[in-house]
Amino acid sequence: AQSVTQPDIHITVSEGASLELRCNYSYGATPYLFWYVQSPGQGLQLLLKYFSGDTLVQGIKGFEAEFKRSQSSFNLRKPSVHWSDAAEYFCAVGDENSGNTPLVFGKGTRLSVIA
Amino acid sequence: DTEVTQTPKHLVMGMTNKKSLKCEQHMGHRAMYWYKQKAKKPPELMFVYSYEKLSINESVPSRFSPECPNSSLLNLHLHALQPEDSALYLCASSFRTGREQYFGPGTRLTVT
Repeated sequence: AQSVTQPDIHITVSEGASLELRCNYSYGATPYLFWYVQSPGQGLQLLLKYFSGDTLVQGIKGFEAEFKRSQSSFNLRKPSVHWSDAAEYFCAVGDENSGNTPLVFGKGTRLSVIA
Repeated sequence: DTEVTQTPKHLVMGMTNKKSLKCEQHMGHRAMYWYKQKAKKPPELMFVYSYEKLSINESVPSRFSPECPNSSLLNLHLHALQPEDSALYLCASSFRTGREQYFGPGTRLTVT
């Protein structure tokens, strides 16, 4: 069965600093990988996705993520964080070929941004 | 257009009321989902519809009753809810299960 681990429950960074949020997955084949962001009281917004090909994917809001098969990781990065990036971030794994299995979400990492 | 709409945005209901949540998408997606999310927790999957048929029910109590009238609409009928059912209810859709999901803004439900 697929699983996703986000090791960091809460991260605090200074505005303008770089950011890396960790995501590790467990899956036998090449998974579909996603990062979502959720502001308080809102729905989840898709930041980026990886299906195949180039292992470095670019997303919206200046985010990028790198797929590393050898480490079973899909970490999210941003070179310079803005105060508006404070939110909850969820990593998810999917498999289009697994029949009716929907995405599996991690438990989330809460990002706080300080001045 | 990657928009999923949900109505109402907020709902307050008593434990004896019957109400419905509505979700709509026009992206041609064939999978639709209901999630429940408590504060500071990840979304919990409740139901999955694939090609308008219920494919997954995550042991949700019968006081929650989903309905998929057509490929664009998803309803969640609520009856005799408990205060612990108060939460943010999220609807999502995807091209197929396993692919990226697009979420609506949610309905904030309060059961009194």
